[in-house]
Amino acid sequence: GIQVEQSPPDLILQEGANSTLRCNFSDSVNNLQWFHQNPWGQLINLFYIPSGTKQNGRLSATTVATERYSLLYISSSQTTDSGVYFCAVEQPDSWGKLQFGAGTQVVVTP
Amino acid sequence: GAGVSQSPSNKVTEKGKDVELRCDPISGHTALYWYRQSLGQGLEFLIYFQGNSAPDKSGLPSDRFSAERTGGSVSTLTIQRTQQEDSAVYLCASSLHHRAKPRGTGRIAEQFFGPGTRLTVL
Repeated sequence: GIQVEQSPPDLILQEGANSTLRCNFSDSVNNLQWFHQNPWGQLINLFYIPSGTKQNGRLSATTVATERYSLLYISSSQTTDSGVYFCAVEQPDSWGKLQFGAGTQVVVTP
Repeated sequence: GAGVSQSPSNKVTEKGKDVELRCDPISGHTALYWYRQSLGQGLEFLIYFQGNSAPDKSGLPSDRFSAERTGGSVSTLTIQRTQQEDSAVYLCASSLHHRAKPRGTGRIAEQFFGPGTRLTVL
């Protein structure tokens, strides 16, 4: 099956800093989603981005499908950005099931 | 509008007992997925429903696991004779559209997740 690798595994930021999270995948995909898992375990949708660039407030994402990677940018980080960020791709020739990466644990300190 | 809801939020059971976990998808969403999140395995797919049928059950770990969906809406995941390794958070997701067939290009929609059910098997 498709492999999804996220880096870095852990990230500690001071409030106000910018950061970039990366997601590499091993095959062409029909769909890619970024999620933020908050401390209560809820997966919150950030982006649905099989290709191209999107922005939502302080967050933006870029997927280069031909090179099989996606980037999530966090600007002017806040303590509420803490949590685990997951990249998930839809497996090719599937019924839409998502294959998740291992996640990036982000801690934003005041 | 209302998101995906799951119940119970927490379930503690004894080894060998059966449990039922419920998922209410977003109204009108035809596709429904079950995943589980455990410390050792991360987030993994279990089963996919298109309407009331399940064309992809490839992620169910054993025959102790089963699921059904009725009325194209509510789904129930049943685990029989629970084992300690079943302890995990069980997540349900729904999406507005589904793929017409595995190799089709159809419109694929974003998946939205519920808050999960934390299952602890003692």
